[in-house]
Amino acid sequence: KQEVTQIPAALSVPEGENLVLNCSFTDSAIYNLQWFRQDPGKGLTSLLLIQSSQREQTSGRLNASLDKSSGRSTLYIAASQPGDSATYLCAVVQGGGADGLTFGKGTHLIIQP
Amino acid sequence: DAGVTQSPTHLIKTRGQHVTLRCSPISGHKSVSWYQQVLGQGPQFIFQYYEKEERGRGNFPDRFSARQFPNYSSELNVNALLLGDSALYLCASRSQGAYAKTQYFGPGTRLLVL
Repeated sequence: KQEVTQIPAALSVPEGENLVLNCSFTDSAIYNLQWFRQDPGKGLTSLLLIQSSQREQTSGRLNASLDKSSGRSTLYIAASQPGDSATYLCAVVQGGGADGLTFGKGTHLIIQP
Repeated sequence: DAGVTQSPTHLIKTRGQHVTLRCSPISGHKSVSWYQQVLGQGPQFIFQYYEKEERGRGNFPDRFSARQFPNYSSELNVNALLLGDSALYLCASRSQGAYAKTQYFGPGTRLLVL
């Protein structure tokens, strides 16, 4: 059974810092990995999707990397802003795809002004 | 284009009752999935539908059921509600059934069971 772990569970940093969020998964037979953002009490916003054949994806100040063989992904946020404060969730899809996304518990990020 | 929409936004029920949650996918998207998110946890997969057929089911009891309509909208039904069913229920859609595609989530329905 696939398990996704996110470290740290919570993180508080001053505005302007660069930061890294970590995600690990136990079964490397994934089809893709997706990073989401969730604001309190809201739905999920897709940030980046990395196919299993890719090493990284970039969108603006966000960069996500994938090391499938070691079961790890990182989300790098450059020049953090207070508006980046949210919970960040990592999720994977297995090769068959029929089981939907398997999520981690998320990293709760606070950017101090 | 409108995103994924869900109704109602909030719902309060008592134990033993039945509930129906509704989801409309992004226009052109044929695949709809349902997730349950308990406070402090990541979402858990319940169902996936594509072209009105169930294509995947998570580890949830038979009290949970769903269906997809010809216009690709979907309903999630939960019978004999338990206190533990209190959660945010999220619907996601993607184009076709290809799991290579990004899933887009709705705002969710928050269900409270008393």
